[in-house]
Amino acid sequence: DQQVKQNSPSLSVQEGRISILNCDYTNSMFDYFLWYKKYPAEGPTFLISISSIKDKNEDGRFTVFLNKSAKHLSLHIVPSQPGDSAVYFCAASLQTGANNLFFGTGTRLTVIP
Amino acid sequence: NAGVTQTPKFRILKIGQSMTLQCTQDMNHNYMYWYRQDPGMGLKLIYYSVGAGITDKGEVPNGYNVSRSTTEDFPLRLELAAPSQTSVYFCASSYEDYGYTFGSGTRLTVV
Repeated sequence: DQQVKQNSPSLSVQEGRISILNCDYTNSMFDYFLWYKKYPAEGPTFLISISSIKDKNEDGRFTVFLNKSAKHLSLHIVPSQPGDSAVYFCAASLQTGANNLFFGTGTRLTVIP
Repeated sequence: NAGVTQTPKFRILKIGQSMTLQCTQDMNHNYMYWYRQDPGMGLKLIYYSVGAGITDKGEVPNGYNVSRSTTEDFPLRLELAAPSQTSVYFCASSYEDYGYTFGSGTRLTVV
């Protein structure tokens, strides 16, 4: 059973437009959420995170929004660039400092020049 | 700074064979992890270690063994390889936070 779900396997966006990647989770005890980015033949790299006490965290072109009541988070990329084309994984953890992350299945983003 | 290094990058095993996937990190991280990623699935934790001499099972440990004799190394052992172990394996490390650093992965095929 997948506790972290990314229901869109792929997303295509025009360069310069906004990319919105979505993630849903089932375990209300998750209190820390992260997004990882993965290029082919490479390991995932950390992108941005958010604690459950916040509803928004911003880092340059990347913003993560958290809606705890809906158990939903999203990653916004504005403006999208061709170099953003990658697989994006959402991940959630049960407690700060926990040594286990639950990953979603990933969304492949393609930014069209 | 090499980060997390995994070897080999690719391997084909026959059913019943054994092998060790190597993982080394040079960041002095105390936590290390092994994940597998099956097609269309998220990463699932196999084993993890919070320090030298300490290991624990993750979500999918069956068919695998690990050891952590040093801070730097965290090898994953497959005994009696099965087709169900065909996957991409990622090693990762962290220093007691969420700043996981992943290796580039080992693609294993069991035939």
